Amino acid sequence: ILNVEQSPQSLHVQEGDSTNFTCSFPSSNFYALHWYRWETAKSPEALFVMTLNGDEKKKGRISATLNTKEGYSYLYIKGSQPEDSATYLCAREDSWGKFQFGAGTQVVVTP
Amino acid sequence: KAGVTQTPRYLIKTRGQQVTLSCSPISGHRSVSWYQQTPGQGLQFLFEYFSETQRNKGNFPGRFSGRQFSNSRSEMNVSTLELGDSALYLCASSRGQAGSYNSPLHFGNGTRLTVT
Repeated sequence: ILNVEQSPQSLHVQEGDSTNFTCSFPSSNFYALHWYRWETAKSPEALFVMTLNGDEKKKGRISATLNTKEGYSYLYIKGSQPEDSATYLCAREDSWGKFQFGAGTQVVVTP
Repeated sequence: KAGVTQTPRYLIKTRGQQVTLSCSPISGHRSVSWYQQTPGQGLQFLFEYFSETQRNKGNFPGRFSGRQFSNSRSEMNVSTLELGDSALYLCASSRGQAGSYNSPLHFGNGTRLTVT
């Protein structure tokens, strides 16, 4: 895998439901995996930075896991709320500090 | 603490013109990077500056250039504008020397450039 890929491209979730989505990245020269939330009319906001294989991070109802050996990360949203509606971006940072972003997963939470 | 400030917020230019965008990072942040976002595309990396030196460069033509000043403020210049340069340009700052694990990017609100 050469690029950072996110799937699905978009998903619709009912309020209260849980969901998850994937970020796949090149595992060579890996340094860190970042997750950002980008709400409409705002700037992207950092959620997590993960570095070690097996890392798990949690922030409220949102959590993420990292597998550096196979090159993927999952982001989970538990009990989705309308304010979780946003585009979620992942980015791979290499050892020279260069970032490679995925195209994002757009999440729409409907009441 | 003030966030990352980008100016201007909106720009309309015609083909062939040049444009300069400005980014003021968070105080104390020495790394500034620039990204282009076009519809349907992820953030495409343009370049990154650290302590006035370009440390990383993306795959953009030489019409795209940048610089960083001693106060860490950065400018990005695009010469001979093309219609395809219409995009949202985001700047991000971090404390970040390479390998600084807990250095997430802090983004500005972006400059929306329209080339007609």
